[in-house]
Order: sequence, then C-alpha cells, then structure tokens
Amino acid sequence: DADVTQTPRNRITKTGKRIMLECSQTKGHDRMYWYRQDPGLGLRLIYYSFDVKDINKGEISDGYSVSRQAQAKFSLSLESAIPNQTALYFCATSDHPGASGANVLTFGAGSRLTVL
Amino acid sequence: TQLLEQSPQFLSIQEGENLTVYCNSSSVFSSLQWYRQEPGEGPVLLVTVVTGGEVKKLKRLTFQFGDARKDSSLHITAAQPGDTGLYLCAGAPVFGGSNYKLTFGKGTLLTVNP
Repeated sequence: DADVTQTPRNRITKTGKRIMLECSQTKGHDRMYWYRQDPGLGLRLIYYSFDVKDINKGEISDGYSVSRQAQAKFSLSLESAIPNQTALYFCATSDHPGASGANVLTFGAGSRLTVL
Repeated sequence: TQLLEQSPQFLSIQEGENLTVYCNSSSVFSSLQWYRQEPGEGPVLLVTVVTGGEVKKLKRLTFQFGDARKDSSLHITAAQPGDTGLYLCAGAPVFGGSNYKLTFGKGTLLTVNP
C-alpha cells in the first residue's frame, strides 16, 4: 500500500456541489498538507496541519476547508465547487525538519477534480 | 514572498544528450529540494541540498546549490527515456521562519525521446 493514499483519484462534479477529497497516511508523520497543481502555476499550498489540533491556511485557502480527523487522516472539502477549482490536488506529509531545517514532503498520487 | 524561477519550462531532447535545469531566486533559502513527478503520480524527492556550494550526485544526476544559497541546478548526463518527467525545485525559508511552507518552482517538463 502507498504511504499516502488519496481518494478519489478522479472526480467530475457540477458547479455548486459539495466535494470531499480524503487523504490517509501510514508514515506516522504529524504534518499534513493539501496542495493544488495547475498547468503553468506549479504547486500552491491550500492548507496545512501540524497535528490534530493545528490547522493553518495556506496561500490559496478561499473556497476550501479541511478537517484533521486523526493523525493519519486529513480531508479537503469544497463546500460549493466552481469551475476554477478544476485542478490536480495533492496531499502530502512530512516529519519534523531535521537539523538542516529541510522539510521533506511525501506526496500522494493526486486527485484530479473537474468542476463543470 | 519568495519566488523560485525554473528554466527552461519545457525541454525535449534525444536519448544520450546532456541537459541542465536551473532554479533561481533573489531570496536565500536554508535548503533546496528537487522532486521528479511522473504522469499520474505525485512528486517524489530526488535530493535535498543544504550547504552553499554543495554538490550531490545521484547516478547520472548532479545537483548543485549556489554559494549564496539563492539558486540551484540539476544536470543530467546521457539522458534516458526513463528520465522523462516534471522536475520541481522547492526552497525552504531561512531557518527560523516558516520552514513548513516550501516555495515551489513551476517546474521543467523534460521529455527524452528514444
């Protein structure tokens, strides 16, 4: 099994629908993240969580919400999906940075969301 | 806001050729990572460079961190079709800042033709 599992892998929905993307990990990492990837824009951070009680907004959190149900689970919700939220979404985890401060991410395989 | 500029954005070469991908910024980073992303998959870490001037080798891939820790390069020798993918650099802010908020470049899409 993959270290970081995302479901669903692909989803097509309509404008206004509520969508939840789920992420679970077996790495035992405390830190979890949601990114979106768009052609020409790279990876942008939506939300991140350092532990179950810690949730923080990233650079593009508007229109999204998250829930950290357990150390291993971090879900991303779109309360009312709109077409410009069509993108590839990645969940990632990381351990505490080492002495170098390097924060190494382990990514899931991605969830491709299309909003019509 | 720290920005990382990657160049070139697209690169298509023949098997056996050499290539270099660049990652540049006006900001200083405490460390810089390189990831490779294959179609249908998430990015996978290739290397982390931490010290200015550091050079790391991973088989035919050579990574270098600039002396001032503002830039990095990835050189591939004798590229193979298996090297095809999106190469992403990501920088961590100078230690003491928000080290969880990596700044990603937009990527270099490499295609190696047989």
